[in-house]
Amino acid sequence: QQKVQQSPESLTVSEGAMASLNCTFSDGTSNNFRWYRQHSAKGLEVLVSIFSDGEKEEGRFTAHLNRANLHVSLHIREPQPSDSAVYLCAVGTGGYKVVFGSGTRLLVSP
Amino acid sequence: EAAVTQSPRSKVAVTGGKVTLSCHQTNNHDYMYWYRQDTGHGLRLIHYSYVADSTEKGDIPDGYKASRPSQENFSLILELASLSQTAVYFCASSRQISNERLFFGHGTKLSVL
Repeated sequence: QQKVQQSPESLTVSEGAMASLNCTFSDGTSNNFRWYRQHSAKGLEVLVSIFSDGEKEEGRFTAHLNRANLHVSLHIREPQPSDSAVYLCAVGTGGYKVVFGSGTRLLVSP
Repeated sequence: EAAVTQSPRSKVAVTGGKVTLSCHQTNNHDYMYWYRQDTGHGLRLIHYSYVADSTEKGDIPDGYKASRPSQENFSLILELASLSQTAVYFCASSRQISNERLFFGHGTKLSVL
């Protein structure tokens, strides 16, 4: 059964510094990967989707995928206090099977 | 932008009571999902549906029923609510089931006392 783990559990960065979040998964046949952001009392919004090894950039958000290492990361360039939220990694193997990590709580201090 | 709305936004229920959570989407999506989120856990899939009048079990269906009376509406039903069902529930929709992003509602915070 797919295991998706995120690290760190929480992260504090200064405004303008790069924020890096990590996600490891266990099923090597996984074929779609997304990062979602969850602000308090709000739904989840997708930030970036990636389907093949390498890098995918969406604005200030960049995902890196290395399927051989079972690892996908999210890098946030020039984070702002409004980026403070919980970030969820979602890993899919096709069909309805999408497994979410438990999240990284990011705090961006002014 | 696609829209998924849930009601109510929060609810307090008594143990053993019946709870119905509602979800409405205006995305014209065929697929709809119910997830629950617990502290320290990621979202876990309860039920999903790909067509009106049909629902499928997800990974944690025990204690829950679902109803899809139309393409736009998807309900989650707790016939006998229990303390362990206290959680935040999210509804989502997608155009297809495979490799598609999910559009989420704002969530329903359910407290069972």
